[in-house]
Amino acid sequence: GNSVTQMEGPVTLSEEAFLTINCTYTATGYPSLFWYVQYPGEGLQLLLKATKADDKGSNKGFEATYRKETTSFHLEKGSVQVSDSAVYFCALGGTSYGKLTFGQGTILTVHP
Amino acid sequence: GAVVSQHPSWVICKSGTSVKIECRSLDFQATTMFWYRQFPKQSLMLMATSNEGSKATYEQGVEKDKFLINHASLTLSTLTVTSAHPEDSSFYICSAEPGLAGGSSYEQYFGPGTRLTVT
Repeated sequence: GNSVTQMEGPVTLSEEAFLTINCTYTATGYPSLFWYVQYPGEGLQLLLKATKADDKGSNKGFEATYRKETTSFHLEKGSVQVSDSAVYFCALGGTSYGKLTFGQGTILTVHP
Repeated sequence: GAVVSQHPSWVICKSGTSVKIECRSLDFQATTMFWYRQFPKQSLMLMATSNEGSKATYEQGVEKDKFLINHASLTLSTLTVTSAHPEDSSFYICSAEPGLAGGSSYEQYFGPGTRLTVT
């Protein structure tokens, strides 16, 4: 079956530091890949997505590239802000109608 | 756009009672809605998929008689936790997918969640 594995958290960074959150997946077929963000007290929001190999999704300074050869979709940001503190979920979809498979989530805390 | 609301945002109920949680898509029609359960510091576990006007499809291990799902319209789905027990205490999240001709877009819009505490 499908599965998504994210790097263990929590991740704690200082403002303006570089961020990487690793995500690897196992899937049959050709999935779409997503990063969702959950800010404290709020629901999940789609951060970015990529629908095919070598696509790069980007939004709000975050980027992730769909790497089929390494089955990865790592999230990166060059300079994090305190407001980026949230839980980040990597997710996979596209192999079973409408269903998303989520990773375990990574808590990011950014200090001033 | 693409706002999904849930009501209530939190609820406390006594063991043995039933609780209904509403999920509404406010500015779009959702042919498909999903219900998830999120445990503390853990990921979202898909409970069921509901399509407007048809029976929900439950994931393996989810008791359909305990977690009743109704998707009565293109903007409303409800989850009723029947005969709730303390182990049902959790964070319940719904999501809605806008209708797309020809198949799923896999873009789900999530509600803010409902915290259920069963005492």
